[in-house]
Amino acid sequence: AQTVTQSQPEMSVQEAETVTLSCTYDTSESNYYLFWYKQPPSRQMILVIRQEAYKQQNATENRFSVNFQKAAKSFSLKISDSQLGDTAMYFCACSPGTASKLTFGTGTRLQVTL
Amino acid sequence: DADVTQTPRNRITKTGKRIMLECSQTKGHDRMYWYRQDPGLGLRLIYYSFDVKDINKGEISDGYSVSRQAQAKFSLSLESAIPNQTALYFCATSDREDEAFFGQGTRLTVV
Repeated sequence: AQTVTQSQPEMSVQEAETVTLSCTYDTSESNYYLFWYKQPPSRQMILVIRQEAYKQQNATENRFSVNFQKAAKSFSLKISDSQLGDTAMYFCACSPGTASKLTFGTGTRLQVTL
Repeated sequence: DADVTQTPRNRITKTGKRIMLECSQTKGHDRMYWYRQDPGLGLRLIYYSFDVKDINKGEISDGYSVSRQAQAKFSLSLESAIPNQTALYFCATSDREDEAFFGQGTRLTVV
């Protein structure tokens, strides 16, 4: 069984600033994947970044990077140079290493302001 | 065209009615999933299928059934809809453990 916890229901950041969204998880799997998904008002689920648990190097995708602390079971998302288009709900998710059976957190609503 | 297509996009139905949500994909993936999204709860797995002959219950399967008509098609049915099944429903596909592709969701309202 897996659980994912996002303790920040809402956050706000000014354009061009940096923001970090928090996520903690628990899993009994020896190998697993961690994800951050973005859901804009269009409600489409968009994969932002992924991390395989056995890879120690933190994943990076352009302005998005993660801080993966395996021992602490923490997986935070850092958004640099925030843009108005980053305004969305962000979900942290975990899946076992055998299938995309995702367990999601409750989400963090991010508002980017001028 | 979208890789994962859900129909309908929005639906209002009455309590007690049977309703089917459909999902089709052009990715050629074997694995398909149905999730439900409720405000404040994130997405939860309802059912999943790893191939045409394989159907598995997820976290919240009570009140739902599924049919895998073909590799590309995976339908979710509510046999007798109730108001607390009002939610946003997502279909997803994958062929790898580290990536899933989502449809655009079906917003279902049961009145």
